[in-house]
Amino acid sequence: DVKVTQSSRYLVKRTGEKVFLECVQDMDHENMFWYRQDPGLGLRLIYFSYDVKMKEKGDIPEGYSVSREKKERFSLILESASTNQTSMYLCASSFSQGTGANVLTFGAGSRLTVL
Amino acid sequence: GEDVEQSLFLSVREGDSSVINCTYTDSSSTYLYWYKQEPGAGLQLLTYIFSNMDMKQDQRLTVLLNKKDKHLSLRIADTQTGDSAIYFCAESMNSGYSTLTFGKGTMLLVSP
Repeated sequence: DVKVTQSSRYLVKRTGEKVFLECVQDMDHENMFWYRQDPGLGLRLIYFSYDVKMKEKGDIPEGYSVSREKKERFSLILESASTNQTSMYLCASSFSQGTGANVLTFGAGSRLTVL
Repeated sequence: GEDVEQSLFLSVREGDSSVINCTYTDSSSTYLYWYKQEPGAGLQLLTYIFSNMDMKQDQRLTVLLNKKDKHLSLRIADTQTGDSAIYFCAESMNSGYSTLTFGKGTMLLVSP
């Protein structure tokens, strides 16, 4: 089974701190994604990457950056955390299937609280 | 732009069938997906359907697609308490290089 591992399940940070959320997948997937999940808003795409050192903005990239130095690792960075970034962050990975479907495998999530 | 709508909440009794509905706006959507999220966990793919199909069945799950009305449904037969979760509908377009757009999720509560 594909595993997507998010290193931190729960984090508490202070406003203004720099925050790193790490995600590692073990099945050589080309594509990796970061979403945030908020009650009543569902999942919103922050950034995604289709290859090493490549990144694309999603729907809500403001206040975030990403890094993909190795194929298996995709990091989400909050340069200066703010209280409105308190959320559940979900990492996902996928490969392009022959049928063309983009089947995402998700990690368990990282719940970030910014005080 | 793309938009996916779902009702927010559904409550059923154990043993009944559950039907979760979803509508989408983008007629060029090629693939439609159903994901399940249990408490404290990430999303897990249940099934997906290609837009040239109108039905897909997998054990207790039946997916119906009405492309003309842009309506997708997930039917769970003989619903169990373990089916209590949030169910997300999602769409993608064209090929595996596209991203998924998710609905806000439907919370299914199954009572004994």
